[in-house]
Amino acid sequence: GENVEQHPSTLSVQEGDSAVIKCTYSDSASNYFPWYKQELGKRPQLIIDIRSNVGEKKDQRIAVTLNKTAKHFSLHITETQPEDSAVYFCAASRTGNQFYFGTGTSLTVIP
Amino acid sequence: DTAVSQTPKYLVTQMGNDKSIKCEQNLGHDTMYWYKQDSKKFLKIMFSYNNKELIINETVPNRFSPKSPDKAHLNLHINSLELGDSAVYFCASSQGTGFNEQFFGPGTRLTVL
Repeated sequence: GENVEQHPSTLSVQEGDSAVIKCTYSDSASNYFPWYKQELGKRPQLIIDIRSNVGEKKDQRIAVTLNKTAKHFSLHITETQPEDSAVYFCAASRTGNQFYFGTGTSLTVIP
Repeated sequence: DTAVSQTPKYLVTQMGNDKSIKCEQNLGHDTMYWYKQDSKKFLKIMFSYNNKELIINETVPNRFSPKSPDKAHLNLHINSLELGDSAVYFCASSQGTGFNEQFFGPGTRLTVL
């Protein structure tokens, strides 16, 4: 099955700085890569996703890049704010109904 | 107007007991999932149902038995609970089996003593 690795496991940044979280996957047939944000005690929620026919996607302060050849994708958050503090999960899927999640990155934005 | 709801929110029980967690979605989705999130926050899929039919069954002990009475409900029954079953269990739903957003429920924190 698919194996998704995520780094770093914890990340602290100063407010206003950028944060980058990286994931690698093992199944070259995976073609959908969503990112979920989970605030403390809350449910995971989709923040952005990318499909394999696209190399980059941006939504305001967040962007995701995908390198299919290297089998890695990254989440970029610019101008970080305290409310960005949460656990972020990457995931990979080849079928759309089976998602393999990374181990999560706990992001802390220091005011 | 909760989209995906789970009951109970907290469940504390003794080893060896049998318990159920219920999940309901009012989004009209036809695919539902169960995930287990352990103490290290690792989120792992357990089951996936599409139109009440099991489509994904990861390597999960057969003490765990999902049941989908209709498209809007996916319940999880756990027999002979063990300490290692302690975790947060999330139900989720999505539209179809394509690459669509999964909407998660609020989670059920199960503690086995």
